[in-house]
Amino acid sequence: KQEVTQIPAALSVPEGENLVLNCSFTDSAIYNLQWFRQDPGKGLTSLLLIQSSQREQTSGRLNASLDKSSGRSTLYIAASQPGDSATYLCAVRLDTDKLIFGTGTRLQVFP
Amino acid sequence: ETGVTQSPTHLIKTRGQQVTLRCSSQSGHNTVSWYQQALGQGPQFIFQYYREEENGRGNFPPRFSGLQFPNYSSELNVNALELDDSALYLCASSLALIGPYEQYFGPGTRLTVT
Repeated sequence: KQEVTQIPAALSVPEGENLVLNCSFTDSAIYNLQWFRQDPGKGLTSLLLIQSSQREQTSGRLNASLDKSSGRSTLYIAASQPGDSATYLCAVRLDTDKLIFGTGTRLQVFP
Repeated sequence: ETGVTQSPTHLIKTRGQQVTLRCSSQSGHNTVSWYQQALGQGPQFIFQYYREEENGRGNFPPRFSGLQFPNYSSELNVNALELDDSALYLCASSLALIGPYEQYFGPGTRLTVT
């Protein structure tokens, strides 16, 4: 059974810091991995999608890496800003259907 | 191009009642999935529809049912509501069942069961 774990559960940092959020999964037979952002009480915004054949994806200040063999992904946020405060979720996709989510990392960036 | 929309935004129901939640897929998307997100948890997969047929189901009882219409919009129905059904319900659409396609999520419906 695929399980997804995210560490840390919560993080509070001053503005300007570079951050690393971690995601691990137990079964390497994934189709792809997606990182999402969720603001309180809101839906999910897709940040980055990494296919199983890829090693990393970049979008602006965000960089996500994938090491399928070790069951790990990291989301790197450069020069964090207060507007980055949100919960970050990673999810792995199995075959053609469901996403399996971690419980998220709640990030607070203070000025 | 409009994104994924859901209605209603919020809903309060009493235990034992029935509820219907609605989702309009992003234009051109033929696959829709429904997720339940309890407070402080990651979303849990309920089921997925592809071209009006159920294509995969998570660990949810039969009182959770769904429909997908020819225009690819979708409904989630929950009968005999229980207190534990209180959650944020999210729908997601994607361009196709197979392929390197992202799932795009709607804003969710917050269901409270009292």
